Amino acid sequence: GENVEQHPSTLSVQEGDSAVIKCTYSDSASNYFPWYKQELGKGPQLIIDIRSNVGEKKDQRIAVTLNKTAKHFSLHITETQPEDSAVYFCAASFGNEKLTFGTGTRLTIIP
Amino acid sequence: DAMVIQNPRYQVTQFGKPVTLSCSQTLNHNVMYWYQQKSSQAPKLLFHYYDKDFNNEADTPDNFQSRRPNTSFCFLDIRSPGLGDAAMYLCATSSRDKINNEQFFGPGTRLTVL
Repeated sequence: GENVEQHPSTLSVQEGDSAVIKCTYSDSASNYFPWYKQELGKGPQLIIDIRSNVGEKKDQRIAVTLNKTAKHFSLHITETQPEDSAVYFCAASFGNEKLTFGTGTRLTIIP
Repeated sequence: DAMVIQNPRYQVTQFGKPVTLSCSQTLNHNVMYWYQQKSSQAPKLLFHYYDKDFNNEADTPDNFQSRRPNTSFCFLDIRSPGLGDAAMYLCATSSRDKINNEQFFGPGTRLTVL
């Protein structure tokens, strides 16, 4: 089955700096890669996703890049703000509804 | 607003006492999922329904059961909760008819087992 590794497990950045979280996946057939943000005591919320026919996608301060050859994808957050502090999960899936999640990254924005 | 609702948000039960968690959705999605999430871990899929078709994960204990009486509602039954079942339980939905597989999560129910 699919296996998703996520790094780093914790990340602290100064407010205004950029944050990058990286994930690798094992199943070359995976074709959908979402990123979820989970705030304390809440369910995960989708913040951006990318499909395998696209190499990069951007939404305001958030971008995701995908390297199919290397089987890795990354989340980039620019101009970080205190409200970006949360746990971020990457995930991968192919064809069906099941997502395989990474282990999560706790991002802390230092004011 | 269309959403995924979970009740209760916090549930306390005793060791071995059956408990039911509920999930409802106004998104009219045909797929509903139950995940277990323990502290500092990723959500772990327990099972999911595609309409009334139940799909159990191979490593989901028999202690966990689910019911989906209609499109809008789905229940998680824990027949004999153990201390190790204390966790956040997340319900999610998705539409199999849409090209993206986005899952919409509810706020979760935090289960405490005494």
